[in-house]
Order: sequence, then C-alpha cells, then structure tokens
Amino acid sequence: DTEVTQTPKHLVMGMTNKKSLKCEQHMGHRAMYWYKQKAKKPPELMFVYSYEKLSINESVPSRFSPECPNSSLLNLHLHALQPEDSALYLCASSQDLGRENGYTFGSGTRLTVV
Amino acid sequence: SQKIEQNSEALNIQEGKTATLTCNYTNYSPAYLQWYRQDPGRGPVFLLLIRENEKEKRKERLKVTFDTTLKQSLFHITASQPADSATYLCALREGSSNTGKLIFGQGTTLQVKP
Repeated sequence: DTEVTQTPKHLVMGMTNKKSLKCEQHMGHRAMYWYKQKAKKPPELMFVYSYEKLSINESVPSRFSPECPNSSLLNLHLHALQPEDSALYLCASSQDLGRENGYTFGSGTRLTVV
Repeated sequence: SQKIEQNSEALNIQEGKTATLTCNYTNYSPAYLQWYRQDPGRGPVFLLLIRENEKEKRKERLKVTFDTTLKQSLFHITASQPADSATYLCALREGSSNTGKLIFGQGTTLQVKP
C-alpha cells in the first residue's frame, strides 16, 4: 500500500459544528503532516508529527486540534471554524524526519465553512 | 527573509517542446530540493529529489539541476505532452535541521498545447 487516504473528500460545516478529518497510511512512515491549501496558493504547513508526537505547530489557531492515535492514523479536529478556514486540507507522510525523502500526499479534504 | 520563488505563475508551450521551470531561493541553505506535480483538486505528487552535491538528476523525461552558487534549481520536461499539464511545485527544507518543515514555492502552472 503506497497511499495516504483522507476522509471525507468533501465537508461542509457550520461555524458552530464540530467535525474531524481523518488520514491513514500503511507505509510504515513515522512522520505525518497536515497542510492547508487555499486556491492558487502553495500548501502551507500546519502540524508535524514524528513518532506519534507533535513536533511542529505552525501557530495554528486552537480551533484546529490535531491528534495522532497511532503510527498509521492522523486526525484533525475542527471546532468553531470561520468561513476563511475554507480550503483544501492535505495530509502527508514521509519515512521519518531524520532522512530527506519525498512526501506522499493524500488527495485532500475540501472543507467549506458556512 | 527566506523566500522560494518560481519564475512564473504560468507557462504555455507546444507539445513536443521542452518545458523549463525555475525555482530560486534566498536565505536558505538546503541540503536537498524537491519537485512535485499537482493536478487541480488533488494532493501534490512527489517527482524528484536532488541533493546539494548532485548537479543533475534524471527520471524518464524529467531532468532537475541544482546550482547552490546561483541558489537555483531548473526543472525540465522533454518531449512534453498535454498530459504533462499541471502545476509544478518546488520545495525545500533548511539543511541544518530535521524539523520536517517542508516549504513550497508558489508553483508554476504548465499548459502543453497539442
């Protein structure tokens, strides 16, 4: 299995809702990432997990809450989002932080906040 | 401040020609540089990684060069095809750390016309 799987593919949520994005990989990768991408912009790093521990939080607002339950799963919990949070949310993984190697990205979750 | 700049937002070429995309960076000392392809609504797909001590790397019709003196990488697609139409992103990490903070350029959208 050489894929990163993200669910759901599309999500529409109200500003008072709580929802979660899920990401799964079975490549044995020990580093996992959340990126946010707005239209016609590059992906922007949000969080980095290494061996299931949070390694980097790029000053992301607390309404985004990451979780890494095990080495294969990464969640992003969403609460009280704003319309400007609407974007494509991408999960990625790589072997680990100690070696330079390409990232494997999922297809993303298209989030719309209404 | 640190910057990654890709020479143009859009590049249009005729099928069969060579496409050349440029990535320049300032105030980074990367040990590696990566190139990704992104299709609309999808996650980036890793193409090539080149190390600072490698001047050139090839994969099928793709060629990447890395000039650490000029702080520039060139990405070439030879014998281009309409299926090569996509956005191409360069990315790098600061070579002195293992933080896993992969930063992307803004991308160049390539359109190959039949």
